[in-house]
Amino acid sequence: QKEVEQDPGPLSVPEGAIVSLNCTYSNSAFQYFMWYRQYSRKGPELLMYTYSSGNKEDGRFTAQVDKSSKYISLFIRDSQPSDSATYLCATDSGAGSYQLTFGKGTKLSVIP
Amino acid sequence: DVKVTQSSRYLVKRTGEKVFLECVQDMDHENMFWYRQDPGLGLRLIYFSYDVKMKEKGDIPEGYSVSREKKERFSLILESASTNQTSMYLCASSSWTGLYEQYFGPGTRLTVT
Repeated sequence: QKEVEQDPGPLSVPEGAIVSLNCTYSNSAFQYFMWYRQYSRKGPELLMYTYSSGNKEDGRFTAQVDKSSKYISLFIRDSQPSDSATYLCATDSGAGSYQLTFGKGTKLSVIP
Repeated sequence: DVKVTQSSRYLVKRTGEKVFLECVQDMDHENMFWYRQDPGLGLRLIYFSYDVKMKEKGDIPEGYSVSREKKERFSLILESASTNQTSMYLCASSSWTGLYEQYFGPGTRLTVT
């Protein structure tokens, strides 16, 4: 079974807020976890890439994986209007497959 | 930086036409992918290729075919376009060493009338 669940939002926050975006997945065999950002009418852009559990930080962005609860999160600190986009989580599909399993995306608006 | 380009940003075709969508990547990636993206359905994999002349079906290959004659180029073909193939089409690529780090092109918005 390959399934990733993501709340579609929309999520609207004031500039400077801390944003938390979340996904759950069903298969404990998934090992690789990605976050993509997609601006309107553009292709997805890879933001963060993590392997197994733990945290990874890149500037204002932190990706967190909790394999025990099958929960992945993206935190955005000091959010900016330029962060307004749709955020997609993705996992590998297990068993050596080339495929990624994507969530359907959460639309975020950061209001100035 | 990885660059993935797609031949058209917007395309309008008539029902029954044969449609070619082209994708080129400049990072010498082995793997290339074609997705379609529809509201409420998310990204769905149509086909992928892990080497020249090699292809594998994704989740929704019906009505599509692909061609990979050169490593940097991956083409998606709609043999006889239908209105339910109106969608955003996205190409992506990845390397063997970064298999799950897929880099996407800007997309082609195809409308079939």
